[in-house]
Amino acid sequence: GAVVSQHPSRVICKSGTSVKIECRSLDFQATTMFWYRQFPKQSLMLMATSNEGSKATYEQGVEKDKFLINHASLTLSTLTVTSAHPEDSSFYICSAPPTSGGGPNRETQYFGPGTRLLVL
Amino acid sequence: GENVEQHPSTLSVQEGDSAVIKCTYSDSASNYFPWYKQELGKRPQLIIDIRSNVGEKKDQRIAVTLNKTAKHFSLHITETQPEDSAVYFCAATSGYSTLTFGKGTMLLVSP
Repeated sequence: GAVVSQHPSRVICKSGTSVKIECRSLDFQATTMFWYRQFPKQSLMLMATSNEGSKATYEQGVEKDKFLINHASLTLSTLTVTSAHPEDSSFYICSAPPTSGGGPNRETQYFGPGTRLLVL
Repeated sequence: GENVEQHPSTLSVQEGDSAVIKCTYSDSASNYFPWYKQELGKRPQLIIDIRSNVGEKKDQRIAVTLNKTAKHFSLHITETQPEDSAVYFCAATSGYSTLTFGKGTMLLVSP
């Protein structure tokens, strides 16, 4: 089956620093990838949709200048949390629907294993 | 946009009992309804899904029902086991929109 990897799996950083999280589709191409944030005991909240070759689409309330997204290739999207603060501590998960029929199949989403971010 | 409501938020059952989790959705264009199981610190895993052209789907101890008229769908787990303990999320999409998740149900199965 399709595999999506994320790196790193967990990161601890100091307040004010930037953290980059990578999401890779290992055996399929994904023109679109999704970035979710999940706080403890809460649901997955979509942050943004990453589009290969174009700008990401951010959900309402998500600061695009704070959460920089780059979809550099058909298999890699990166999320950079800039000037991280303790309130950014969360579980970040990406997902990638395989591209089919000329567009992303948004039904079949393969999730990455997640990145646990702790900002001190 | 789509709004998905999920109930209950927590559910405790004894091993061997059945568990039912219910979700409602708002967008009549939604036609695909997956259910995910998420263990602590892990990624969500798809356990079963249903499309709007069927009313029920079953896979061993897990079944999902869909009432498109009432815009609600349910997950049924029979003969629950301790390893079924996890957080379960329902979701809905039209296939052209993003996947919208419910708030989740924490299921605890006691031996």
